[in-house]
Amino acid sequence: QSVLTQPPSASGTPGQRVTISCSGSSSNIGTNTVNWYRQFPGTAPQLVIYNINQRPSGVPDRFSGSKSATSASLAISGLQSEDEADYYCASWDDSLKGRVFGTGTKVTVL
Amino acid sequence: QVQLRQSGPGLVKPSQTLSLTCAISGDSVSSGSAAWNWIRQSPSRGLEWLGRTYYRSKWYYEYPVSVKGRVTIDPDTSKNQFSLQLNSMIPEDTAVYYCSRETWIRGAYYGVDVWGQGTTVTVSS
Repeated sequence: QSVLTQPPSASGTPGQRVTISCSGSSSNIGTNTVNWYRQFPGTAPQLVIYNINQRPSGVPDRFSGSKSATSASLAISGLQSEDEADYYCASWDDSLKGRVFGTGTKVTVL
Repeated sequence: QVQLRQSGPGLVKPSQTLSLTCAISGDSVSSGSAAWNWIRQSPSRGLEWLGRTYYRSKWYYEYPVSVKGRVTIDPDTSKNQFSLQLNSMIPEDTAVYYCSRETWIRGAYYGVDVWGQGTTVTVSS
């Protein structure tokens, strides 16, 4: 049911850089801003990137976001064990007239 | 600090109506810079937006096509809370249901920055 497509998994060793992609269309990412959420097991998602590349207070600068045409990316540099979680992109879809989410990516720290 | 506290049943029979309430502390349901959402999550459907209500000189209600006609989100200004009603429940509606707040800062969209604790809802006879 998810409108935005993400790879199901991504992994890296401590200190490495991991990048997660989010593929959409002209009616969502191509036109509107993108947010990224992190979710630990059994808890609600938390905002880690807003407006494509802005970090909320308290989110380390190891997290960065970008957007190009109808795709967006989240990068985590200097990977740490506490980064192990599920990550979701989100945007607004003008055709569906609603909030849409990505399929989610599980990040594993090896 | 803004907090959202959800209440409602965890078990609903098929064809019945789900009713959940989200009590707000630290903010107002009538805030001109917030919107109040319901979002659900299941392994089969992922994160799914169920709709929102917000006040900008009048009340607005927005619902996705996927549940339109089945869903109602209502603000209650006297109790500073909002509710979700989803009727004609089927087993595929089994999910964790979250209430949440979206925020705009100086007119620019920020994001969903506050979430309720989640309610696991099972649809079964």
